Amino acid sequence: AQKVTQAQTEISVVEKEDVTLDCVYETRDTTYYLFWYKQPPSGELVFLIRRNSFDEQNEISGRYSWNFQKSTSSFNFTITASQVVDSAVYFCALSIFGTASKLTFGTGTRLQVTL
Amino acid sequence: DTGVSQDPRHKITKRGQNVTFRCDPISEHNRLYWYRQTLGQGPEFLTYFQNEAQLEKSRLLSDRFSAERPKGSFSTLEIQRTEQGDSAMYLCASSSGTSGGHNEQFFGPGTRLTVL
Repeated sequence: AQKVTQAQTEISVVEKEDVTLDCVYETRDTTYYLFWYKQPPSGELVFLIRRNSFDEQNEISGRYSWNFQKSTSSFNFTITASQVVDSAVYFCALSIFGTASKLTFGTGTRLQVTL
Repeated sequence: DTGVSQDPRHKITKRGQNVTFRCDPISEHNRLYWYRQTLGQGPEFLTYFQNEAQLEKSRLLSDRFSAERPKGSFSTLEIQRTEQGDSAMYLCASSSGTSGGHNEQFFGPGTRLTVL
């Protein structure tokens, strides 16, 4: 069975601070995909990134960056120079190749960015 | 370009009543998913359609739940004899892809169900 753990329930930062959201996953499968989604107060989940298990290159997109390390089964997400608009709940998710692409989500990390 | 839409956005019902939700996926997407999200938790997978075929159902989907996707377009999720434990946000998502692909899923705004 698969599992995704987001140990940080809630994080509060002041605007312009950098913040890292942790994600640890468990699976016995060798081919899988990892995702991050953002759920703003409006409630709609917004896709941020997808990574497959064979691609451990870190990725940067603007103020967002992701660090994938298979050795520690982690897929962490860093926001640089956080902004108030980044306030949301962030979910890490996992899907296994050969299944229905169904996502197994973590419990989410609520990020509060204040002025 | 319209995204995934869901109707209604909110539903309040009394215990024992039946409810039906509708999801309209992104038009070119052949895959459609239903998830349930309770307060403070991540979404949990309920069921999945590839075109009109329902290919997988979670153990969470009791026999009071039924989902359809006629003609591989919109989908409905019906809950019969609702219970207070059914109160949750019901999310629909769609994606494109073949059997090996795991493309990103695009989510709708959800239907919030409250069972009194």
